[in-house]
Parts: sequence; C-alpha cells; structure tokens
Amino acid sequence: EAGVVQSPRYKIIEKKQPVAFWCNPISGHNTLYWYLQNLGQGPELLIRYENEEAVDDSQLPKDRFSAERLKGVDSTLKIQPAELGDSAVYLCASSPQGGTSYNEQFFGPGTRLTVL
Amino acid sequence: DAKTTQPNSMESNEEEPVHLPCNHSTISGTDYIHWYRQLPSQGPEYVIHGLTSNVNNRMASLAIAEDRKSSTLILHRATLRDAAVYYCILRGNGQNFVFGPGTRLSVLP
Repeated sequence: EAGVVQSPRYKIIEKKQPVAFWCNPISGHNTLYWYLQNLGQGPELLIRYENEEAVDDSQLPKDRFSAERLKGVDSTLKIQPAELGDSAVYLCASSPQGGTSYNEQFFGPGTRLTVL
Repeated sequence: DAKTTQPNSMESNEEEPVHLPCNHSTISGTDYIHWYRQLPSQGPEYVIHGLTSNVNNRMASLAIAEDRKSSTLILHRATLRDAAVYYCILRGNGQNFVFGPGTRLSVLP
C-alpha cells in the first residue's frame, strides 16, 4: 500500500513569493491534515479535512495561507506571500476516520520550505 | 486538549531495553494514549496506542499506570534505527493530535 505522498520534498523561495505544497493521502482515507513543524518542535496542526470539508482551520493563518481538497482526495496548501518566518517543514497526514480517538495518522515525508 | 510531559532527551545503549516515560495527570476517561516517533528527515510514524490495559506490538510495549496518569513506552532491545524523537499524545474523540516537543532518544553503539 502506498503511503502519503508529498511534493516537492524541498522548496527554496524568496520572501513575498507564492508557494504551494501538494499532498496525496492514502487511498480511502477520508481525513487529511496539514501540519507545520519548526525546528526542534513537534508538528502543529494547520487544518483538518473530513472529505472535502475543512472541519478545523482555526490554526491556519488565513491572511496568507489557504488550502483546498478538491473531490476529497488530493490537497494543496498555499502560502502567498511567503515570509521569512514560514521556513519550516510542512507535513501532510491522513487517517481512515480522523475524529475517532483511537485511529492512527499516517504521515508523509514533508516538504522543507526555506524562505530567503 | 490534554497535555503530556516527557523528558527532553534520553540515552540508551544498543541492544538494551529503553523505558520512555510520559506524564499525563489531566487525562480524561475517554482519552487514548498514543505514541509516535519521528526519525531524522521523516514524518512521524505510529508506534502504539492504548486506553487502559498494557499493549504490545511488534515495535514496542505500552505500560499504562493503573490511575492512567502516566505511561511508559518500552523498546525491548534498542537498535541504532530506534534513534528518534518520541511523542506521547493524548487524544479524545473528535480532538486533534497535539504534539509536544517529545523525547529525543539517542542510541549508543
């Protein structure tokens, strides 16, 4: 079974430029998460989707970040414009039914963003 | 979301058992205890989870205190590949995973 796929793995951009990250979850997983991970810290949730609906985007900085999950499968996370402080690893995860307390999450390898 | 407390770092010798502690004194009755680990340059991966009883799987064992206010992840024979950051997370129904900084485990050859 293929795991969670993310691309690109690495991205270097200059500040004020836009950037987009793509995630393909495990087939059949209804729940998709985007996390941000700063160096030396644990992942922090940005947004959670149940199928195509964003059920928790309370931690997403909506002035510059946006996300979509068309048809409830793939998802894209965008930053426009990027700031120096956005340099981090962006992780995507999926789960069969995310809201259930015992279900595990499957993480992709992440995209390491560097903003110059 | 309930919080957990873990040591920042631990060290172990290869092929010896490792006991990684986690305190979660504010755990509620329906919270599951999850453990994930993150190898260098990878996303976190599931290790084990439990509710009240001790749990075993091919990767590790989870020992849960009787009052559920603490738990211990046990790696029976540490290998160099087990060097990672280990996260202890509580999760109730409908709640999100909240990752702390975890415990960085170093395994010495």
